[in-house]
Amino acid sequence: GAGVSQSPRYKVAKRGQDVALRCDPISGHVSLFWYQQALGQGPEFLTYFQNEAQLDKSGLPSDRFFAERPEGSVSTLKIQRTQQEDSAVYLCASSLEPGLAGTYEQYFGPGTRLTVT
Amino acid sequence: GQQVMQIPQYQHVQEGEDFTTYCNSSTTLSNIQWYKQRPGGHPVFLIQLVKSGEVKKQKRLTFQFGEAKKNSSLHITATQTTDVGTYFCAGLPGNTGKLIFGQGTTLQVKP
Repeated sequence: GAGVSQSPRYKVAKRGQDVALRCDPISGHVSLFWYQQALGQGPEFLTYFQNEAQLDKSGLPSDRFFAERPEGSVSTLKIQRTQQEDSAVYLCASSLEPGLAGTYEQYFGPGTRLTVT
Repeated sequence: GQQVMQIPQYQHVQEGEDFTTYCNSSTTLSNIQWYKQRPGGHPVFLIQLVKSGEVKKQKRLTFQFGEAKKNSSLHITATQTTDVGTYFCAGLPGNTGKLIFGQGTTLQVKP
């Protein structure tokens, strides 16, 4: 089956604009994660969903960042009033529920490269 | 906060030489995962280690998890040009699935 997909792949926004980034996880994957990856750095955790419940949002950098997964599959990461420091690749990953798979292996999407000018 | 440190940041080797990257966590981990990211690509899962002192092998790759479950290493024997990329360790401090990634080690292999 298909892997994790993300759209758009590239987004250029002017400072102050709002953006919405979409993630389609692997069908049947209960857990969904958002990461931010700056150039030359490792992915940094933003938030985590189990089904539609947002269990951890400790990594969201500010209240301008908001994520939702209303029906427990597709997720959207929204950034309001974008700033230059928001420029990064935003990665989405999904995984099977740990209790079923016994593993926390995460499958990553290709990412959305956001550039704020 | 919880941190995972990884060294070295970069490594250039001649094809056929060995390569090792090291990962250290500030806290005890329930497990540790390793991912590989090719230039322009996304992280791809390699392996997961769960038990104290665990050693796993995948062809030329050997992964170790320390006895205290705070450090790990990845060793590649006889590197090939296909090994080029950035290798990340990612620690799982609890049971929520929240991974803490290291900064990565970027491997360049000269043919």
